[in-house]
Amino acid sequence: DTEVTQTPKHLVMGMTNKKSLKCEQHMGHRAMYWYKQKAKKPPELMFVYSYEKLSINESVPSRFSPECPNSSLLNLHLHALQPEDSALYLCASSQEGRYSYEQYFGPGTRLTVT
Amino acid sequence: AQTVTQSQPEMSVQEAETVTLSCTYDTSESDYYLFWYKQPPSRQMILVIRQEAYKQQNATENRFSVNFQKAAKSFSLKISDSQLGDAAMYFCAYRSAGGANSKLTFGKGITLSVRP
Repeated sequence: DTEVTQTPKHLVMGMTNKKSLKCEQHMGHRAMYWYKQKAKKPPELMFVYSYEKLSINESVPSRFSPECPNSSLLNLHLHALQPEDSALYLCASSQEGRYSYEQYFGPGTRLTVT
Repeated sequence: AQTVTQSQPEMSVQEAETVTLSCTYDTSESDYYLFWYKQPPSRQMILVIRQEAYKQQNATENRFSVNFQKAAKSFSLKISDSQLGDAAMYFCAYRSAGGANSKLTFGKGITLSVRP
């Protein structure tokens, strides 16, 4: 099973709301990632978790708060977002280790901030 | 830092024909991986093909093959017998060997359209 699932598929939120994005994989991968993608652009890395610990934060604003409750789950908590945060948010996972080269992507959550 | 360049923003191909998408990269590393990802409109990004830098043989996956020129730092994707379902945005990507903290560096992408 090479599937990464993400919920919800679509999310509309106001600038004062708090919401969460969820990502799940059951491939036994120990590395998980959050990316932000604008239309017709490549994904931009936001966070990397390795063995459930945050290993990379690409200077993402604190209104985005990641969480990795266990090796299969990855959450992204959203609070006080801005309209420019509207984008497709992609989750990905991979094996960990020197030869963990392949990332599997989920379908994404399309976020609109009003 | 590594860079990936896809200089053509758009390409078009007739159904059943062959098309080649170009990609160049810049790195000083010797151990790395190259990928082509496909992202159809409003759909999931999927891995099309990967190439390990230490392998001289070009990777192939059914109708998809690459021309990997390590010295020239070129990594093009050839799609044979193009199908309507091949229409998508294609991203070339680079990753160093070294685990999860080795970032995946993407090119800007190319939009491929397939004419029936």
